[in-house]
Order: sequence, then structure tokens, then C-alpha cells
Amino acid sequence: AQSVTQLGSHVSVSEGALVLLRCNYSSSVPPYLFWYVQYPNQGLQLLLKYTTGATLVKGINGFEAEFKKSETSFHLTKPSAHMSDAAEYFCAVSKGSQGNLIFGKGTKLSVKP
Amino acid sequence: NAGVTQTPKFRILKIGQSMTLQCAQDMNHNYMYWYRQDPGMGLKLIYYSVGAGITDKGEVPNGYNVSRSTTEDFPLRLELAAPSQTSVYFCASSWGSEAFFGQGTRLTVV
Repeated sequence: AQSVTQLGSHVSVSEGALVLLRCNYSSSVPPYLFWYVQYPNQGLQLLLKYTTGATLVKGINGFEAEFKKSETSFHLTKPSAHMSDAAEYFCAVSKGSQGNLIFGKGTKLSVKP
Repeated sequence: NAGVTQTPKFRILKIGQSMTLQCAQDMNHNYMYWYRQDPGMGLKLIYYSVGAGITDKGEVPNGYNVSRSTTEDFPLRLELAAPSQTSVYFCASSWGSEAFFGQGTRLTVV
């Protein structure tokens, strides 16, 4: 069975600081991995995804994530936080291109001025 | 291009009442999903469909029903509402590996 663990339900950073949101997964097959962002009272928006190929993937709004198979991790980073990055972030895994998404519990990011 | 449209946005139901949450997509996606989101729990899959006429249960299907008569529409039915069904419900559709989400329906059962 597949599962996703997001470490830290709430992360707070200062504006301009590094953002690091952690995600570990378990999967019996090569996984497809995703990060979604949810702004207050909104639906989920895809930030980035890893399917195959290059293990460092770049997404929207300056975010990137690195797939590390040996560590079963897919951590999300951004070099410099902006106030507009405050939102909830969800890591998700699926089996293949049309598999159902399994979500982590989410990490709420706060950005202090 | 509207994407995935959910109606209503908010609803308060009394225990035992029934209702249908509507979901429509205009992207001609075969795959559609219903999730519920509870605070601190992420999103849990209720039902999904791989095409018109084909539906299957997800992780938390009890208390819900779905139908898929057309590619565009995927309604979710609550027959006997219970307080445990108070949640935010998201519909999604997918093409390839990318899922597109609606804005959600916030349901309160009292």
C-alpha cells in the first residue's frame, strides 16, 4: 500500500528565509510524486510533480523538489520565502499516471514579515 | 474555460436529510474523483470514476453514492446525512498525471 508522511503540521519562516517542507513516502512500485498548494478557501493547485527522469523538479512560484529514492523522500524547497507563499501544502503519491492520489496530512506554512 | 465546477459552495443539512453535491468538468477528462478534507487529516478519496458508467469505491465510501452518466458530470449523493459527514468536499478530474480540483463544497450537518 502507498502512504505519505509529511513531517510538521505547521512550519513558520521569516520572509526571505529558506522554505523546507518534508515529505516521505512508501510505495511498492515506482511512485509518481506531487506537491499541491491550497490557499484559504480555495481548491488545490499543482505546484510540481515527479514522474520519471530528472530527480530535481522545478515548479511554479520558485518551488522545487528532489526525488531521493534511497531516502524515500520528496522534500519541497524554496530559497527565499515570500508573504504570498503562506498556504497549506500537500504531498501526494500515486501508482503511475492515472493512479488515485494518496495525500499526506498537509503542512501549513506561515511567513513572518 | 471553467475547469472543474462544484455546486453549492456552502450547505447546512439537518441530520437525516439527503442532498447531492454537483461536479462538472469541461476538459473532457475520463477520470474524476471525490475527496473529503478534514482539518489535519489531508484529503481522503471517497469515490472515483474512470469513465462514463464506471465508478469505484475509494478509502471512505460509506454513507455516499455516486453515478457517472456522462463524461462531464460526477454527482455525489448523501442519503442520510450524519454529523460525521461535516467536511469540505472536493471534486477533481485528471488527464495523465495531473489532477484539477474544484473550489470545494463546505458541508455542515447539524
